[in-house]
Amino acid sequence: GNSVTQMEGPVTLSEEAFLTINCTYTATGYPSLFWYVQYPGEGLQLLLKATKADDKGSNKGFEATYRKETTSFHLEKGSVQVSDSAVYFCALNEDGKLTFGQGTILTVHP
Amino acid sequence: DTGVSQDPRHKITKRGQNVTFRCDPISEHNRLYWYRQTLGQGPEFLTYFQNEAQLEKSRLLSDRFSAERPKGSFSTLEIQRTEQGDSAMYLCASSKPSGSNTGELFFGEGSRLTVL
Repeated sequence: GNSVTQMEGPVTLSEEAFLTINCTYTATGYPSLFWYVQYPGEGLQLLLKATKADDKGSNKGFEATYRKETTSFHLEKGSVQVSDSAVYFCALNEDGKLTFGQGTILTVHP
Repeated sequence: DTGVSQDPRHKITKRGQNVTFRCDPISEHNRLYWYRQTLGQGPEFLTYFQNEAQLEKSRLLSDRFSAERPKGSFSTLEIQRTEQGDSAMYLCASSKPSGSNTGELFFGEGSRLTVL
């Protein structure tokens, strides 16, 4: 079956540091890939997405590139802010429903 | 507010009691999903509907769980004879009809269940 594996957290960074959260997936076909974010006290919301190989999704300074050859969709941001503190979930959609990774807690200190 | 809404936001119950959660999806979305999220884990798929038809159920959905979407609009998730292991956040999501669907799901804020 489909599965998503994220790097274990939590991740703690200083403001303006570079962020990478690794995500790899297993799927039988060619899924769409997503990063969702959950801010404290709020619901899951879409951060970015990519629907085919080599696509780059981007939003709010975050980027992720769909790499079919390595079955990866790593999340990056060049300079994090305190307001980026949240839980980040990688997910894939191949058969009409999302399969999520376990989530990575990011804490950014001033 | 035209997002996905869930009710109640919090429910505390005693073991053995029945509970019901309601979800109102975004109005033009024909697919509706239920997920469960426990602390430190990602959301796990429970079931989904296309219009009023329940198309798939996870093995996580024991016979104590039942979901309905009678008119293809709102949905309910009922848990009978609750157990402490049912304590979790129950998330509802909806998505656009296929054809305009890029696979993105729109989530509500969830209904948190605590079973004492």
